[in-house]
Amino acid sequence: ETGVTQSPTHLIKTRGQQVTLRCSSQSGHNTVSWYQQALGQGPQFIFQYYREEENGRGNFPPRFSGLQFPNYSSELNVNALELDDSALYLCASSPDIPTAEAFFGQGTRLTVV
Amino acid sequence: DAKTTQPTSMDCAEGRAANLPCNHSTISGNEYVYWYRQIHSQGPQYIIHGLKNNETNEMASLIITEDRKSSTLILPHATLRDTAVYYCIVRVVWYKLSFGAGTTVTVRA
Repeated sequence: ETGVTQSPTHLIKTRGQQVTLRCSSQSGHNTVSWYQQALGQGPQFIFQYYREEENGRGNFPPRFSGLQFPNYSSELNVNALELDDSALYLCASSPDIPTAEAFFGQGTRLTVV
Repeated sequence: DAKTTQPTSMDCAEGRAANLPCNHSTISGNEYVYWYRQIHSQGPQYIIHGLKNNETNEMASLIITEDRKSSTLILPHATLRDTAVYYCIVRVVWYKLSFGAGTTVTVRA
């Protein structure tokens, strides 16, 4: 059984650019969530995808968008990058059980300059 | 929108039990308490969760008070590898986890 994997591990982008982050969910998990973690803070929920549909969204602007594919892998897209978007982006997968624990990947460290 | 209060930091001696408190006085009857930890530069790791009964697994024990307004995570024999930020989370809606600032636990030799 493979865990949650994210790519890339690090990247640097310029303000105004667009970025795509990728996540492969754990085997058997059909739900993927994305979180943003600024330095020194706890992770903040961005949105969740379930069976290729957005299932819930946190307090993030529309320039944060996502996709989930038939194999349950997922992408997070951020348009018009701002300096404050610099953070660790975490992906978590879980099975289709409301109380099930979420399994997190190691994250992608995004730096916007 | 975190509904929990945790101490900012605590120290623990290696080999001793670590007791991490969490207050969640506004918890509703069907909301679960979850504990995660985050070791530096890694993704959060699930530890344990419960509704109203005490729970134990291979990592830790979770003690929830009878009124459910507070809980304690117990690491029975802390090791240096348990040094991490520990998050107590009340799961208000099933599709997301609301992380607060957590407790930074330092295990000292």
